[in-house]
Amino acid sequence: EPEVTQTPSHQVTQMGQEVILRCVPISNHLYFYWYRQILGQKVEFLVSFYNNEISEKSEIFDDQFSVERPDGSNFTLKIRSTKLEDSAMYFCASSDPPVGQGGDYTFGSGTRLTVV
Amino acid sequence: LAKTTQPISMDSYEGQEVNITCSHNNIATNDYITWYQQFPSQGPRFIIQGYKTKVTNEVASLFIPADRKSSTLSLPRVSLSDTAVYYCLFTGGGNKLTFGTGTQLKVEL
Repeated sequence: EPEVTQTPSHQVTQMGQEVILRCVPISNHLYFYWYRQILGQKVEFLVSFYNNEISEKSEIFDDQFSVERPDGSNFTLKIRSTKLEDSAMYFCASSDPPVGQGGDYTFGSGTRLTVV
Repeated sequence: LAKTTQPISMDSYEGQEVNITCSHNNIATNDYITWYQQFPSQGPRFIIQGYKTKVTNEVASLFIPADRKSSTLSLPRVSLSDTAVYYCLFTGGGNKLTFGTGTQLKVEL
């Protein structure tokens, strides 16, 4: 079964540092997403990406966040100047077609980001 | 904004059938109903999706009445490994998924 792969599985960073979370979506998927889940809370949408641009973003996805598809396989989330409250599980997902048209999402296993 | 309501938690025993009902009074015409499962420290995993009537796959069944104001996820003969959080979601009119708090299912021996 095809998988969405995320690296690293766990990242510890100092407050104020930049982190890049990496994802390899399913190869024939065209829609990509980032979600986060703070410990004990809901899974929250951050951003969706299609055709090399952001198609939708939430209020959480402010100027400290950015996404990129640097090549044909990777999809990255960059967090500039991390804050303590950025500590969470970050999930990448991909789909094709977009889920609203009956398609399903496939989520990765997540990156646990701990900001100290 | 469309909203789903489901029980916060349910308990069951191995071998029993578990039915989790989700209410969604203001579901839109183009919304599908999708259920996800999440284990601790893992990403949500797609279980089943439907629009109306009944859908069955290898792991679950989904029952949706004609008015589509609710749906029921049915897990036959649960085992300890089915202990997880189960989310009922709308998927329609956009790309993002909006997760609620889900139903924590606990399966015991």
